[in-house]
Amino acid sequence: NAGVTQTPKFQVLKTGQSMTLQCAQDMNHEYMSWYRQDPGMGLRLIHYSVGAGITDQGEVPNGYNVSRSTTEDFPLRLLSAAPSQTSVYFCASSSPSGRSYNEQFFGPGTRLTVL
Amino acid sequence: RKEVEQDPGPFNVPEGATVAFNCTYSNSASQSFFWYRQDCRKEPKLLMSVYSSGNEDGRFTAQLNRASQYISLLIRDSKLSDSATYLCVVSRNTGGFKTIFGAGTRLFVKA
Repeated sequence: NAGVTQTPKFQVLKTGQSMTLQCAQDMNHEYMSWYRQDPGMGLRLIHYSVGAGITDQGEVPNGYNVSRSTTEDFPLRLLSAAPSQTSVYFCASSSPSGRSYNEQFFGPGTRLTVL
Repeated sequence: RKEVEQDPGPFNVPEGATVAFNCTYSNSASQSFFWYRQDCRKEPKLLMSVYSSGNEDGRFTAQLNRASQYISLLIRDSKLSDSATYLCVVSRNTGGFKTIFGAGTRLFVKA
């Protein structure tokens, strides 16, 4: 049981390049999300999904796309990288309980630098 | 104003000390409350959920005051291994599901 895995761990991009951050979970969780973490800002939600085929925007969605074709995978695409997207990106998953989503399990993060 | 506010610290305390962290949230529709711990350059991990009745897990006690929209975390008998950043987290499911993280409070426990 690997939990939540993310690849790559580190990435350096040039402005304007595109790339996909991969996220997978093997816990059969319905809910998956992407966050970015910047110094002094806490984690901010980029996009989330409550199940395969269903995605929605979070707090800071601009410049990012997501899709959820399977329960296990939730890739995050940077369309045209900008220096403002330099950050640590975390993927998380959880299973709903009643009306709320309880413990979120996080992947180890991807450290992205955009030059 | 941020929806979840925490004192950023850092808190520097000696081993054995008791330390308290506070957190306030602004949205009264918030439904679920948590404390997460994040070690340097690692992912956040759940420390404990927070209930109105209060809950305790060993040296850790969490309290929720819905009327004041205030959450607290008390750590007794601090250990060196408690050094980390503590994140206050609030969730709600109104107008879409949202989880809001505070910016975190850094704790350094010294020998």
